Amino acid sequence: DAGVTQTPRHEVAEKGQTIILKCEPVSGHNDLFWYRQTKIQGLELLSYFRSKSLMEDGGAFKDRFKAEMLNSSFSTLKIQPTEPKDSAVYLCASSLRGGAYEQYFGPGTRLTVL
Amino acid sequence: GDKVKQSPSALSLQEGTNSALRCNFSIAATTVQWFLQNPRGSLMNLFYLVPGTKENGRLKSAFDSKESYSTLHIRDAQLEDSGTYFCAANSGTYQRFGTGTKLQVVP
Repeated sequence: DAGVTQTPRHEVAEKGQTIILKCEPVSGHNDLFWYRQTKIQGLELLSYFRSKSLMEDGGAFKDRFKAEMLNSSFSTLKIQPTEPKDSAVYLCASSLRGGAYEQYFGPGTRLTVL
Repeated sequence: GDKVKQSPSALSLQEGTNSALRCNFSIAATTVQWFLQNPRGSLMNLFYLVPGTKENGRLKSAFDSKESYSTLHIRDAQLEDSGTYFCAANSGTYQRFGTGTKLQVVP
């Protein structure tokens, strides 16, 4: 079975650009999470979907970050416009249902904003 | 201030020994999670806890919601246990991570 896949693995953007990161959860999983990891801020939850419904939108990230679940097997995270402080590893995870079930993480997308 | 504090921040363990990691939080957590990020950067779920304890092989975790802390005990540490351990305190859909404990297991 395929795990969580994320594309691209690396992205370099100029300040002010729009970038879209993609995630395919494990087939059959109902919950999908987007996280950001930086050396300074550590791990932060950006968005949480349950059965395609947005449950948590990570308040602090609302203005330039938008996560969508277009169908049960595909999600995107759009950052518009990008800023240098957005440079981070963006991780996607999925679980069967709720936190009681193990989360499976993707390999992450390393974003560098110049 | 930090809502989720982990201690120690770094730890070196001899193979075969035991240790405990701690996570204190200042939010009213209903559940706690523990994750391991290996040296290559891959993250994996270790535990998801409601108040109480869970055990999985050489790992055991406890969550005390009244005292707002959680612990992760590692028994008979192995080289492959090396990495950074994160705890996350959850309150509803709100989730806050600690800054991690970097563990190195040495022969």
